[in-house]
Amino acid sequence: EIVLTQSPATLSLSPGERATLSCRASQSVSSYLAWYQQKPGQAPRLLIYDASNRATGIPARFSGSGSGTDFTLTISSLEPEDFAVYYCQQRSNWPNTFGQGTKLEIK
Amino acid sequence: EVQLVESGGGLVQPGGSLRLSCAASGFTFSSYEMNWVRQAPGKGLEWVSYISSSGSTIYYADSVKGRFTISRDNAKNSLYLQMNSLRAEDTAVYYCARDLTIFGHGLDYWGQGTLVTVSS
Repeated sequence: EIVLTQSPATLSLSPGERATLSCRASQSVSSYLAWYQQKPGQAPRLLIYDASNRATGIPARFSGSGSGTDFTLTISSLEPEDFAVYYCQQRSNWPNTFGQGTKLEIK
Repeated sequence: EVQLVESGGGLVQPGGSLRLSCAASGFTFSSYEMNWVRQAPGKGLEWVSYISSSGSTIYYADSVKGRFTISRDNAKNSLYLQMNSLRAEDTAVYYCARDLTIFGHGLDYWGQGTLVTVSS
């Protein structure tokens, strides 16, 4: 089973700042990595698929990069609605796995 | 508009069974792969199971293999999860999620979830 490790566990930033979230895989997942945002009481929302493709309706301030074992989700300038928990998921091998999540909180 | 609506959750005793359903609308259900993902209270996301568009290919997480069965009825636009031999650690909100399928690797639409509580 591929283990995904997200860092940091919590990120405290202010609106307008740049956020950089990391996801590291225990073995290569090629580019088959997705990022999700989840707010309290809501279902997750797909942000990025195949490492760098923004999902439909996702603002351009969200971008993804990486391949192999190291991936990054970048939010260029934080909006108030971006404070949430972010998960990565590998779609390369079965069983699919999620990272443990990064909580992005307002500083 | 794509909609996924789960049902069938509730309180069940350890060792019991439950069948979850997910009613799909707003898209050609038979063309899409589907998944179940769960989230224990206050915890992260855990992928549970996958089924191909035809139902011929199925995968499970190790934690549920041999106890849970995923299935689909394309004529009824419905996805199912039969859960047997339930344990306390199966307590979670269960989401059905549509796979991007030929369009990429990701889960692009999710239901609102149904809560399963395993407790005596």
